[in-house]
Amino acid sequence: RKEVEQDPGPFNVPEGATVAFNCTYSNSASQSFFWYRQDCRKEPKLLMSVYSSGNEDGRFTAQLNRASQYISLLIRDSKLSDSATYLCVVSGGGADGLTFGKGTHLIIQP
Amino acid sequence: EPEVTQTPSHQVTQMGQEVILRCVPISNHLYFYWYRQILGQKVEFLVSFYNNEISEKSEIFDDQFSVERPDGSNFTLKIRSTKLEDSAMYFCASSRDRENEKLFFGSGTQLSVL
Repeated sequence: RKEVEQDPGPFNVPEGATVAFNCTYSNSASQSFFWYRQDCRKEPKLLMSVYSSGNEDGRFTAQLNRASQYISLLIRDSKLSDSATYLCVVSGGGADGLTFGKGTHLIIQP
Repeated sequence: EPEVTQTPSHQVTQMGQEVILRCVPISNHLYFYWYRQILGQKVEFLVSFYNNEISEKSEIFDDQFSVERPDGSNFTLKIRSTKLEDSAMYFCASSRDRENEKLFFGSGTQLSVL
């Protein structure tokens, strides 16, 4: 069974702090990796794709370690608007569609 | 910014009734999907659709479910005989270039089966 595991949190973090999320996936044949953001009772929204070389988009940095089947997301200088659930998502390797983790809930406190 | 639109936003139905959930994917997208999320649980894949046929489906997508693209813009999910456990948020999504890459999700239809 293909699984994506995340620490559910919640992570309570003061505004301006740096926060890191981790995720592990079970299907070694997975080919594509993403972080999505989901606000309460809203749809998932693509935050960023994750590449083996690592990639950065403004305050957000994502890393992939294929050998360890581990994905991370780092948020620097966190804002109140970053409060949301962050979903680790993988696809490929014969999997059906995208496989979502249950998400890590982040609360940024003023 | 183009978006995926879903109607209705809420649907309440009696157990055993048929429901049709409607979606208008982004116009230049080629791949279409349905996902669902039961309250408090993770988002789950139901089905993907490309070139007017199903390309993948999960074990959730049994004979009670069907999808259609009746015209050039709409993409529908039908549940023939709803069960209590079908209560969930149903998300439609689309992507442009490759299957399962960079999905854009609609705002969802909350289905409540009584």
